[in-house]
Amino acid sequence: EPEVTQTPSHQVTQMGQEVILRCVPISNHLYFYWYRQILGQKVEFLVSFYNNEISEKSEIFDDQFSVERPDGSNFTLKIRSTKLEDSAMYFCASSGLLDRTNEKLFFGSGTQLSVL
Amino acid sequence: KNEVEQSPQNLTAQEGEFITINCSYSVGISALHWLQQHPGGGIVSLFMLSSGKKKHGRLIATINIQEKHSSLHITASHPRDSAVYICAATNTNAGKSTFGDGTTLTVKP
Repeated sequence: EPEVTQTPSHQVTQMGQEVILRCVPISNHLYFYWYRQILGQKVEFLVSFYNNEISEKSEIFDDQFSVERPDGSNFTLKIRSTKLEDSAMYFCASSGLLDRTNEKLFFGSGTQLSVL
Repeated sequence: KNEVEQSPQNLTAQEGEFITINCSYSVGISALHWLQQHPGGGIVSLFMLSSGKKKHGRLIATINIQEKHSSLHITASHPRDSAVYICAATNTNAGKSTFGDGTTLTVKP
């Protein structure tokens, strides 16, 4: 079964450093998402992406965050200058159909980001 | 008040019992997701609903759009069903989802 792949599985960085989290969505999917889950808290939406542009972003997704689909297969989340509170599990997801009312989300296994 | 509320927060059941998890939402939605998060953290999508009812194996999900309420039922529960179950209300036009806090289900043999 096709799956969403995320790398790395764990990322440790120093506060103020830039990080790039990588995702390879399912190949024929059209919609891409990033979510995060701080330890012990609920999952939070960060951003949705369609047709090479952001569809919607949450209040969390400020100027420190950016997303890119550089080569038609990868979907990346960049955090420009990490803060301690950016420590979380980051999940990528994708979905396929034009009619999203009948389409499940497919999640990657997540990248655990630790900012020291 | 959360925009998406789940109940109960925690649920312990004996193997074989019928399980119901509830989700109420106050936001306008086009669809509602039920997700399963395993102890290792991975998330699996169980259902995406915009109306009515869906069934997959021992899992049944229903939604009442007028009442802004959805339920997830598990028939003949099994210890392997132990996980956190999450509902997420989605604005389908842009894909923005608001997540509930999750229901931690433990099924004892």
